[in-house]
Amino acid sequence: DIQMTQSPSSLSASEGDRVTITCRASQSINNCLNWYQQKPGKAPKVLIYSASSLQSGVPSRFSGSGSGTDFTLTISSLQPEDSATYYCQQCYSTPAFGQGTKVEI
Amino acid sequence: QVQLQESGPGLVKSSGTLSLTCGVSGDSISSSNWWSWVRQPPGKGLEWIAEIHHSGSSNYNPSLKSRLTISVDKSKNQFSLKVTSVTAADTAVYYCAKKTMVGIFDYWGQGTLVTVSS
Repeated sequence: DIQMTQSPSSLSASEGDRVTITCRASQSINNCLNWYQQKPGKAPKVLIYSASSLQSGVPSRFSGSGSGTDFTLTISSLQPEDSATYYCQQCYSTPAFGQGTKVEI
Repeated sequence: QVQLQESGPGLVKSSGTLSLTCGVSGDSISSSNWWSWVRQPPGKGLEWIAEIHHSGSSNYNPSLKSRLTISVDKSKNQFSLKVTSVTAADTAVYYCAKKTMVGIFDYWGQGTLVTVSS
């Protein structure tokens, strides 16, 4: 099984800050990596697919990069509505999620 | 617009069987997608449980496989999950979700809280 490890587990930043979340796979997954945002009491919402493609309707301040085993989600200018928990998910084999990163503003 | 809706008991007794159904609208269960279950214990992260394709192919989380059964009902455009021998550790919000052919969970149900009681 492929394990996904995110860091940090939580962070606090100010409005307008640049925020970076890291996700590492236990083996190479090429670019088969998706990022989700989840707000309390809601289902997750896909932000980035295939490591770097922005899902339709998602603000351009969100971006993703990486391939192989190391991936990054970046929020270029943090907004109050970005307060949420973010999860990576590998799609190379049977699905697996990272443990999540809680972002507070 | 694709919509998914979970249904099933919100309370299950310990050692019993948890049964959930996901009704799908706006897409055919026979399309080229995988239909999945993901759960989230209170205050914790997401855990993928199982998935099924209309062809009958299925995959299970290895850590839960011995207790899981996923099935599809094409006539009702829905799919179901059974978890046997439940314990308090199975208490969670259970989501059903549509997974595309390239592995993106693009549509989710609203989630249903299942509590295992002793």
